[in-house]
Amino acid sequence: QVHLVESGGGVVQPGESLRLSCAASGFTFSTYGMHWVRQAPGQGLEWVAFIESNGNDKYYADSVKGRFTISRDNSRNTLYVEMNSLRVEDTALYYCAKAVGYFNYWGQGTLVTVSS
Amino acid sequence: EIVLTQSPATLSLSPGDRATLSCRASQSVSSYLAWYQQKPGQAPRLLIYDASNRATGIPARFSGSGSGTDFTLTISSLEPEDFAIYYCQHRSNWPPFTFGPGTKVDIK
Repeated sequence: QVHLVESGGGVVQPGESLRLSCAASGFTFSTYGMHWVRQAPGQGLEWVAFIESNGNDKYYADSVKGRFTISRDNSRNTLYVEMNSLRVEDTALYYCAKAVGYFNYWGQGTLVTVSS
Repeated sequence: EIVLTQSPATLSLSPGDRATLSCRASQSVSSYLAWYQQKPGQAPRLLIYDASNRATGIPARFSGSGSGTDFTLTISSLEPEDFAIYYCQHRSNWPPFTFGPGTKVDIK
């Protein structure tokens, strides 16, 4: 069965960086596009970034464009997002999600808190 | 960018009631719309895709309808486990992949 496990969250100060990882199993990782979706405390869902299966095409929400970089290592079945210049408003639970058009599998999320 | 609005924001119902949730898109998304359920402390779960198709393992009491700009999620008879937040999401003309703000179904 599909299993997605996020890690790397923590508490950082504004302007700092963080890298999140998502370990995937139970499916052929290299053949699926993958997303990051976040949810601020008590708020709704916000799509963050998408990477195609081969890692060549990447797409970002305007709110993170230029600061976040999505990547993947298909040999390690792992998805990443490098988050730079973090802002207070980036505080959220970050989910990785497997998608075939829609988000049909989600991890349990990793919490990022940006606070001075 | 296509904007999704959901109504009502909160729906207060009793177990056994019928729930009708609405999602409206700012421009046509054809049938490229999904519904998700999220319970406290859990990740969202895909319920309905392409407007009217139930995802694997989703009970028949959940149904979706609509096309273009107006969509409905119906829960025919609410079970205790159905009290949650429901989000719609489109995959037309992406990016971005937009979610609606959610409808909370709570116990009356």
